This record gives sequence, C-alpha cells and structure tokens, in this order.
Amino acid sequence: DQQVKQNSPSLSVQEGRISILNCDYTNSMFDYFLWYKKYPAEGPTFLISISSIKDKNEDGRFTVFLNKSAKHLSLHIVPSQPGDSAVYFCAASGAGTASKLTFGTGTRLQVTL
Amino acid sequence: ETGVTQSPTHLIKTRGQQVTLRCSSQSGHNTVSWYQQALGQGPQFIFQYYREEKNGRGNFPPRFSGLQFPNYSSELNVNALELDDSALYLCASSLSPDSHGGETQYFGPGTRLLVL
Repeated sequence: DQQVKQNSPSLSVQEGRISILNCDYTNSMFDYFLWYKKYPAEGPTFLISISSIKDKNEDGRFTVFLNKSAKHLSLHIVPSQPGDSAVYFCAASGAGTASKLTFGTGTRLQVTL
Repeated sequence: ETGVTQSPTHLIKTRGQQVTLRCSSQSGHNTVSWYQQALGQGPQFIFQYYREEKNGRGNFPPRFSGLQFPNYSSELNVNALELDDSALYLCASSLSPDSHGGETQYFGPGTRLLVL
C-alpha cells in the first residue's frame, strides 16, 4: 500500500530550464509534506517543505505546490543546474506522527549541459 | 554536516546471522528514527525511540529491534537475517517526536547491508 507515490522514476532536463517533479498521496491524514534530495552514499538532505494550510512555499530556486483536493504536490526547480542532479524523494507526515515520515519511491533528476 | 553518524558504512552478512547497526544522534536530539531503504525504493519507517522508549513502529517483523541510550546513541538489531534485508539503513535524529522533518530532523549517511 504505497501512500506516497512518485510515478516518474527519472527525469532529464537541460541546464537553465525548469524541472518539475510530481508526487501523489492517498492518506488524507497527512498534513505536512517535504522534499528531500539524495546523493549516492549520503543520507537524504532536506530541501523544502509545506504545511497543508498552504498551497505554495518558495525558497530560492525551489518552489513546492500543494493541491489538497487532488492530493498532489510538485517541486519546481528554476533554473535547473547540473548540481541539482540527484534522486528526489517526496515525504509526508501526519498530526501526532510528525517525525515519522512516509516516503515516495523517488525520482532521479539528471540536469544536462 | 548534520552531526548524525552511522557505523559501519558497509557490512556483509550471511543469511541467518544477526547484525547490529549503530547511530550517533546530533547532540541534544532525544528522538531517533530508523528507516530501511531497499534498492529502487524510498526509505521505509522501521521504528522510533524517544527518551530511550519505543515510540512507534512501522510494518517490520519482530526480528527488527532497537535500543536508544542516554548518550544520544542508538542501535538497530536484526536477527535471523534474510536476503531481503539487504538495504541501506538510515537513522534520523530530531529534537522531539513532534518535530516535523526538514530543518529539525537530520539523517545520517546510512549503513549499507548486504545479506548473502
């Protein structure tokens, strides 16, 4: 039972263009969503988060959009840079279980020159 | 650098053996969570400890057990290893169970376990 889904295993984007990574969830009790970036041989590194009371959160080149009615969130990276090449995980948590994260399967982003 | 360390970095075991993985949390963080990341999958929550008491468990068999110590270190023990236990094991430390991920929860680099 995959409660957080990332349906695109990989994405290739040219440097300078926008990268859009998508994530869907099924559990309506989730109220906090996060994106993590992971390089090989390292643990996940926090990128950006959004609470369910918001529909957008921005941090520099990274913006996360949340559509609660569709149970969908997306991460936009503009402009994409070669250093952004990594695996991106969407994660979610619910009230009372804030620090217990449910992760998606990840999307491998390749930013090409 | 997050201040969360894990040992060993790599480990090879055979089926049926037992293994202990270690995590040193960030100073002051009294909550530690363990995750299993199988190849091609996202991390899956195993269990969490808060102030040396278990505080929630994911869908893992009792072969997976843990301990948390007062010095911000913790252990994950797996008995009767199976081939499917081959994975990256991650620990994450946070100030409290109510800390959302993100700026307040930090992951270690993981221990890669291979079961032959």
